[in-house]
Parts: sequence; C-alpha cells; structure tokens
Amino acid sequence: ETAVFQTPNYHVTQVGNEVSFNCKQTLGHDTMYWYKQDSKKLLKIMFSYNNKQLIVNETVPRRFSPQSSDKAHLNLRIKSVEPEDSAVYLCASSSWGVDTQYFGPGTRLLVL
Amino acid sequence: AQSVTQPDARVTVSEGASLQLRCKYSYSGTPYLFWYVQYPRQGLQLLLKYYSGDPVVQGVNGFEAEFIKSNSSFHLRKASVHWSDSAVYFCAVSGTGGYKVVFGSGTRLLVSP
Repeated sequence: ETAVFQTPNYHVTQVGNEVSFNCKQTLGHDTMYWYKQDSKKLLKIMFSYNNKQLIVNETVPRRFSPQSSDKAHLNLRIKSVEPEDSAVYLCASSSWGVDTQYFGPGTRLLVL
Repeated sequence: AQSVTQPDARVTVSEGASLQLRCKYSYSGTPYLFWYVQYPRQGLQLLLKYYSGDPVVQGVNGFEAEFIKSNSSFHLRKASVHWSDSAVYFCAVSGTGGYKVVFGSGTRLLVSP
C-alpha cells in the first residue's frame, strides 16, 4: 500500500515533556511537509524538506525540530511542550515542490 | 507572499441542491490553485488543481472549479450535492518553483437531508 503513515494517532502529555511524531511515505516522493492544524481547522505549514534538506522553515518556536533520515521519513520532535502546542499535526508529501500533496491522517496532541 | 480567503466559514445546503464554495487568492505571479477536502479525523485529499490551460477544471466526485484571473477567484462548484459531501473544504495557492502552499481557513459544508 502506498500512502503517508503517521504514528502515533493520538498523544496526551503534560507541560514540559518531550514528544516525537513519526511520518513515513511510501509514494516515492522527494518532498515532505509538517503542518499544524488548530481547533478551528486552520492549517499552517511548519517545515518542508526536499531530499532530506530543509527548504521551508516557518516561524515556529525553537522547541520544534524536524528530523529526516531519508527522503521517505520526516519526524517532528517537540522539546518541552506547552499548552498551545495542542493541535493536530499533519504530515504530507509531494513528488515535487508544489505538486499535489498527499496527507497522512494526523497525530492529535493534547497537552495538559 | 501568497494568501487565500475563504469568506464562508460554514455553508449548509440541502441534498440534491447545487453548491458553490468561494475562494479568493492573492499572488503577484502565476498561481497554482488547489481544492482539498478533509473528512472527520482524516488528512486532506485533493479534489482538483489548476496549473494552466482551460480555466474550468474538473475534479473527483463531480466537483469543478473555475479560475477567473481578473477576479483572483477559484470558486468550487457542484451541480448536486450528496450527504457524503459533508466535510471541510480548503482552497490553497502556491507560486511556481516554490515549496510552500498556503491554505485558506476552510469552509465547513453540511448537507442536510
């Protein structure tokens, strides 16, 4: 099956903890993205990678750091989470820069 | 920088009625335009996209959109909606040669029986 996979589906943690989210795509794409979707469904790009290289790095707090081991994987680590980090984090991939993006189902983060 | 405005946060239509979801974009160059749909607890899925050529583009499940450059609009239409079309719809724009797609705030569509 070719798609974008994200783990975990759901994560509950407390303020100050560190969390990591995984994303893998089996579509053979070169470009991957992380988006944050808030409770009002607003979607904001956080990072994009092309062939393991960081291309887009929007203004996000330094506690967020993407990690790419190869072009099929793009993980997201959050050091010392805060309540405003509660959101759905969506991973996506595309074959090239601004082509059709294929999204994973998202990781829902709740920070208590 | 590009931006997208979806002026209607919520739209309710009756099953079988026609639909138009509005989208206006801002971009100084030649835009790439997209409509995506998001069903509950799922990621976004592409409905259709416009890069160039015929300004009316056909998408999946009977959706279509028309690129009107003079109006900076890319409205989504469907002739007859089904209850399963209830979802959140996002319009998006990007520029050529870039890696950044900007999404609108979304329109939640509710199809009533």
